[in-house]
Amino acid sequence: EAGVTQFPSHSVIEKGQTVTLRCDPISGHDNLYWYRRVMGKEIKFLLHFVKESKQDESGMPNNRFLAERTGGTYSTLKVQPAELEDSGVYFCASRAGYNEQFFGPGTRLTVL
Amino acid sequence: GQNIDQPTEMTATEGAIVQINCTYQTSGFNGLFWYQQHAGEAPTFLSYNVLDGLEEKGRFSSFLSRSKGYSYLLLKELQMKDSASYLCAVPDTGRRALTFGSGTRLQVQP
Repeated sequence: EAGVTQFPSHSVIEKGQTVTLRCDPISGHDNLYWYRRVMGKEIKFLLHFVKESKQDESGMPNNRFLAERTGGTYSTLKVQPAELEDSGVYFCASRAGYNEQFFGPGTRLTVL
Repeated sequence: GQNIDQPTEMTATEGAIVQINCTYQTSGFNGLFWYQQHAGEAPTFLSYNVLDGLEEKGRFSSFLSRSKGYSYLLLKELQMKDSASYLCAVPDTGRRALTFGSGTRLQVQP
């Protein structure tokens, strides 16, 4: 069974540009989460989908971040326009039922 | 809110035993997870404790005391490949979003 995959693995962009991160959860997992780890800090929750519905986006830093999960399968996280403080590793995780979350390898975003 | 504390770094010797502690403060308790993360890789699930006591899984064991807000991960017969970050995390009620500690970076030396 394939795990959670994320694309790209690395992205280097300039301040003011737009970047879109993609997450493909494990097939059949209705719950999908986005997390972020900025340098020197702990991993922090961004938002949660159940199928295609956003359940909680209280962790999103500001309105420059937009997440979607059309059709309840893969999800995208767009940052527009990117700022320096957006640099970090963005993780996606999926969960089935009431069990543990399975994490993807993350996308390392560097904003110059 | 939720708050988790764990040591930043630990060093141990190959073949030895190491205990990584985690203390937490939560408004409601829904269990505690331990994840392992090698540099540049995905966090991988190690254990989940919801009741008090010790749960053993091969070389790794996890302990929970809900009354003390305390957990530890015990790694036995350390191997070089156990060098990684170990993350303590608690889920909130409902959405099950995880609140993580800062992680403990374990270095296993020959």
